[in-house]
Amino acid sequence: AAGVIQSPRHLIKEKRETATLKCYPIPRHDTVYWYQQGPGQDPQFLISFYEKMQSDKGSIPDRFSAQQFSDYHSELNMSSLELGDSALYFCASSLEGRGYSGNTIYFGEGSWLTVV
Amino acid sequence: LAKTTQPISMDSYEGQEVNITCSHNNIATNDYITWYQQFPSQGPRFIIQGYKTKVTNEVASLFIPADRKSSTLSLPRVSLSDTAVYYCLVGANQAGTALIFGKGTTLSVSS
Repeated sequence: AAGVIQSPRHLIKEKRETATLKCYPIPRHDTVYWYQQGPGQDPQFLISFYEKMQSDKGSIPDRFSAQQFSDYHSELNMSSLELGDSALYFCASSLEGRGYSGNTIYFGEGSWLTVV
Repeated sequence: LAKTTQPISMDSYEGQEVNITCSHNNIATNDYITWYQQFPSQGPRFIIQGYKTKVTNEVASLFIPADRKSSTLSLPRVSLSDTAVYYCLVGANQAGTALIFGKGTTLSVSS
């Protein structure tokens, strides 16, 4: 079965640079979530989108922004990168259509960002 | 959002049944309970989800008492490959509402 696709899988950037991560949800999924997981830490929720509108917001820095496009893929834009932004960034998707019960979120394999 | 509490770590041997209990005292009426498994440097993998009583699938069972203030993930006959971090998450089925991760349980399975 098709899964959540994230690109790039690995990214190395220097401090103060900008990075963009892309996420392609499971086909027919209309909701996308972004999580950040630092080394040895638990995943932290950043932001989510439902039907291309921001639906929930977590601990996303002001330097980060995200959007969901008409084809439901999403991009996370990170500017003025800091060393502390080095982490594994997960995208996840779910189907929130009418009649759906539960909130099963399926995760991608993540994008490794290293800031040097 | 309901806060969850799980044991930090558990040890087991191959072939044993492992039960991981999660406490969620302030669970809301429309909250579901979902368990994920995560291997190092990989995305969390959905294991099982339930609302009440018992749910079973091909890999695990989930037991939820009537008051829903706790839940127990049961892994039958674990193997070395079950060594991972297990997360219990509680959340409502509202569109776009994220599931918030707490501290997971690191399960170590030995031979």
